[in-house]
Amino acid sequence: EPEVTQTPSHQVTQMGQEVILRCVPISNHLYFYWYRQILGQKVEFLVSFYNNEISEKSEIFDDQFSVERPDGSNFTLKIRSTKLEDSAMYFCASGETNYNEQFFGPGTRLTVL
Amino acid sequence: KQEVTQIPAALSVPEGENLVLNCSFTDSAIYNLQWFRQDPGKGLTSLLLIQSSQREQTSGRLNASLDKSSGRSTLYIAASQPGDSATYLCAVEGPGYSTLTFGKGTMLLVSP
Repeated sequence: EPEVTQTPSHQVTQMGQEVILRCVPISNHLYFYWYRQILGQKVEFLVSFYNNEISEKSEIFDDQFSVERPDGSNFTLKIRSTKLEDSAMYFCASGETNYNEQFFGPGTRLTVL
Repeated sequence: KQEVTQIPAALSVPEGENLVLNCSFTDSAIYNLQWFRQDPGKGLTSLLLIQSSQREQTSGRLNASLDKSSGRSTLYIAASQPGDSATYLCAVEGPGYSTLTFGKGTMLLVSP
């Protein structure tokens, strides 16, 4: 069964460093999302991406964040200068269409020291 | 702004019991509602999706209902098993945006 994959599973970085989180969505899906979950808190939406551009973003998704689909399979989230409060589990999701089922990857646990 | 609430926050039951998890949302103009399962430290597994025009969906021992006008959904788990132990998340899509707003989840423990 097709699934969303994410790498790495765990990333440890120093405050101020740049990190890139990678995702491979399900191959025939057109809508891509990033969410995050700070330990003990709700899953929160960050950004959605369709047709090679951002379609929606939350107030969390400030200038430190960017997303890219560099080729036909990968979808990346870049955090330019990490802060302690960026420590969280980051989930990638994809959907065949919008307003339909979203399928989530296993997540990348980001730890900022 | 859409808010999603789930009660109870935690639930502990003996194996074999039927149980109901509750989800409520503040803005009823949703496109759909999705139930997920999350195991500790793991990703989200989609269980059921109910479109706004539907009243319920079933998958195996799971049945989810949606009452859009009152802003409520329930997830019914029949004949619970220890393998059902996990956190169950409810999420709604909309209104006006194609993104999910999540509740905090119900942590379920089914003891043998």
